[in-house]
Formats: sequence, structure tokens, C-alpha cells
Amino acid sequence: AQSVTQLGSHVSVSEGALVLLRCNYSSSVPPYLFWYVQYPNQGLQLLLKYTTGATLVKGINGFEAEFKKSETSFHLTKPSAHMSDAAEYFCAVSEGSGGADGLTFGKGTHLIIQP
Amino acid sequence: DTAVSQTPKYLVTQMGNDKSIKCEQNLGHDTMYWYKQDSKKFLKIMFSYNNKELIINETVPNRFSPKSPDKAHLNLHINSLELGDSAVYFCASSLQGTASTQYFGPGTRLTVL
Repeated sequence: AQSVTQLGSHVSVSEGALVLLRCNYSSSVPPYLFWYVQYPNQGLQLLLKYTTGATLVKGINGFEAEFKKSETSFHLTKPSAHMSDAAEYFCAVSEGSGGADGLTFGKGTHLIIQP
Repeated sequence: DTAVSQTPKYLVTQMGNDKSIKCEQNLGHDTMYWYKQDSKKFLKIMFSYNNKELIINETVPNRFSPKSPDKAHLNLHINSLELGDSAVYFCASSLQGTASTQYFGPGTRLTVL
């Protein structure tokens, strides 16, 4: 069975500082990995995803993530935080079984941006 | 144009009632999903459905039933509502395939009194 662990339910950074949100996964097959963002009282929006190929994935709003198979990690980074980045971030995994599979989500990380 | 829409946005009801949440997507996707987000913001898949199969998360009570009149709609019907059903319910859609991006609706906040 697949699972996702997000270290840190809350992460606080200063505006302009590096953002690092950690995600580790467990999967019995090569996984597909996703990062979603949820702004208050809204649905989830895809930031980026890894399927195959290049392990460094660039997404929207300046975010990127690197798939590291040896570490079973898919950490999300952004070089310089902006106040508008304050939101809940979810890492998710989907196993490649080919069916109508849902995503398995981590518990989320609440990103706080200090002015 | 709204890609994935849900109605209603808020639903307040009494224990024991039956209610439905509607979901529509205009993306031409063939697979739709329902997720439940609890008070701690944990998201869990409830159902996934395409024109071939319905996959049910085994932890979902049979009081919950998805109904799909066509490929663009997947409604969620809940019988005999309980206090523990209070949550935000999200509909999502995608093309079939586990690498496909799922697009989420805005959510329906259900409160059971």
C-alpha cells in the first residue's frame, strides 16, 4: 500500500527566504507524485507533478520539486517566499496500476509567511 | 468557465436526514472522484468512477453512494447523516490514468447538527 509522510504540519519562513516542504512516500511500484496547494476556503490546485523522466520538476508560482528514488522523497522548494504563498500544501502519490485510482495524500503542511 | 463545479457550497442539515451533493465537470474527462477532507484537513479518497468501473474505498460506509447520470456528472448521495459526516467534500476529475492530473472542485462544506 502506498503512503505519504509530510514532515512538519506547520512551516514558518520569512518573506524572501527559502521555502522547503518535505515529503516522503512509500510505494510498492514506481510512483507518480504530486504537490497540490489549497488556499483558504478553496479547492486544490496542482503545483507540479512527477511521472517519468527528469527528476527535477518545475511548477507554477516558482515552485519546484526533486524526485529522489534512493531517499523516497519529493521535497518542494521555492527560492524566495512571497506573502501570497501562505496556504496549505499537500503531497500526494498515485501508483501506476492503470485503473481509476485516487490519490493518497499526506496530512498537509501549513505554510506561514512572516513579513 | 468553471472546470469542476459543486453544489451546494454549504450544506447544513440535521442528523438522520438524506442529502445529495452535485458535481459537474466541463473538461471532457472520463474519470471522476469524491474526496473527504476532515477537520484536520486530511484528505481521503472515497470513490473513483469512470464509465467502466466504480472503485470504492473500503472504509466508506454504505450510507454513501455515488450516482453518475453521465460522464460529466458524479453526484454523492448520503443517507441517514451522522455527526461524523461533517466535513468538506471535494469532487475531482481527470482523464483515465494514474499519471493524469486531477482537477478539484471548490468543495462542499457539510455540517450535520
